[in-house]
This record gives sequence, structure tokens and C-alpha cells, in this order.
Amino acid sequence: GQSLEQPSEVTAVEGAIVQINCTYQTSGFYGLSWYQQHDGGAPTFLSYNALDGLEETGRFSSFLSRSDSYGYLLLQELQMKDSASYFCAVVDSSYKLIFGSGTRLLVRP
Amino acid sequence: DTAVSQTPKYLVTQMGNDKSIKCEQNLGHDTMYWYKQDSKKFLKIMFSYNNKELIINETVPNRFSPKSPDKAHLNLHINSLELGDSAVYFCASTSSGSFSSTDTQYFGPGTRLTVL
Repeated sequence: GQSLEQPSEVTAVEGAIVQINCTYQTSGFYGLSWYQQHDGGAPTFLSYNALDGLEETGRFSSFLSRSDSYGYLLLQELQMKDSASYFCAVVDSSYKLIFGSGTRLLVRP
Repeated sequence: DTAVSQTPKYLVTQMGNDKSIKCEQNLGHDTMYWYKQDSKKFLKIMFSYNNKELIINETVPNRFSPKSPDKAHLNLHINSLELGDSAVYFCASTSSGSFSSTDTQYFGPGTRLTVL
């Protein structure tokens, strides 16, 4: 079967750094994506890792270790507007995007 | 300019009815998708079309029938609606059927379907 595991909820303080982990077990693997979804909104793309290592885009970074079937999303200098759900998603061997169950991030003042 | 649009945004209907959701993208993308997001926010792919051709058909009841009149449109028709069909349905598009760091999926705003 295919599964992606990520924490259901994370709480952090404004200005802090938070890491959201994702472990996966899928049939084939092309890459790991991260999407952000605010309540009532649509998922929006944040990052994509096809190779091992860290990808940085502004305050957000994403890491992948293919040998460990593991990745994480790092959010720095947290802002209130970062409160949202974050989904990791694996591109499997048939180019399908398989989503994790999402991590709800709550940023407190 | 709206990149991926869906209509309607909300749909409330009775069990047993037939309904359609429309999706259009103006990004010039070749591949379009339908996803279902349930009440627990679990997002699951249903169908994918590449240039009007069905390429992914997950284990979805045959009451759901996608139709792609051209590569900019992917509609979803649902027959004999059931209570369990209540969810948010998202349309998405990407520039090709494969993925690279630049091939992101762009999601529409979603259609919240409520079956009574």
C-alpha cells in the first residue's frame, strides 16, 4: 500500500521556527512536494524535492532523504498568516500525486 | 486573472440527484485532475486527463464520469448522488504529465458538495 505519515497538528509561536516531518512508503518515487492550504482555500504549491538535500525558498525550506524515505518542511520567522494545513505529497511511479493527511499548523502570538 | 476556475463553488442537493461540476484552466496546461477532499481533509486523486485523454482513473464508483471537451476543460458528472459523496472537489492542472521542480499543480478554488 501507499502511505505518508505526518503529524496531525503543530503549534508554534510567532517568529519561531517549526519543522513538519513526513515519512512515506509508496510504489515508486519521483519526488516529494509540499502544499499549503488555508481553511476554506485551495492547496497551493510550496516546494518540490526530487534529489536529496535542502531546497530553500524564502522563509520556507524543504529537505529530502530518499534513503530514509523522509522529508521535512522548515518554516522560519513564523507569521500569523502561516497558520494553515501543510501537506506532503509524493509523486509516485505513475506520476500520481499521493497526499499525506496534512499537518495543521497553529501560530500563536 | 483566474488560473483554474470551478463552478459552482457550493452545491447542495438531494440524494439520488445527478449533478455536474465544471473546471476550466487558462494556463495552457496539458494535464488536468480531479481530487476529492473529505471532512478529515484527506486529499485523494480521482481522475487525470492529458490532452483530453484519460490517463489516471482511481478506484472511483462509475457514478462519477469525467469529461474533457478540450484540454482547457475537465468536467465531473456525478449520477445518483449519495451521502458519502459530500466533500470538497478540487480541479487542478499541470503543464505536463511528468513532474520536475517547475511542474507544480495549480488547484482551483474547490466545489463544496453537500448531499442531503
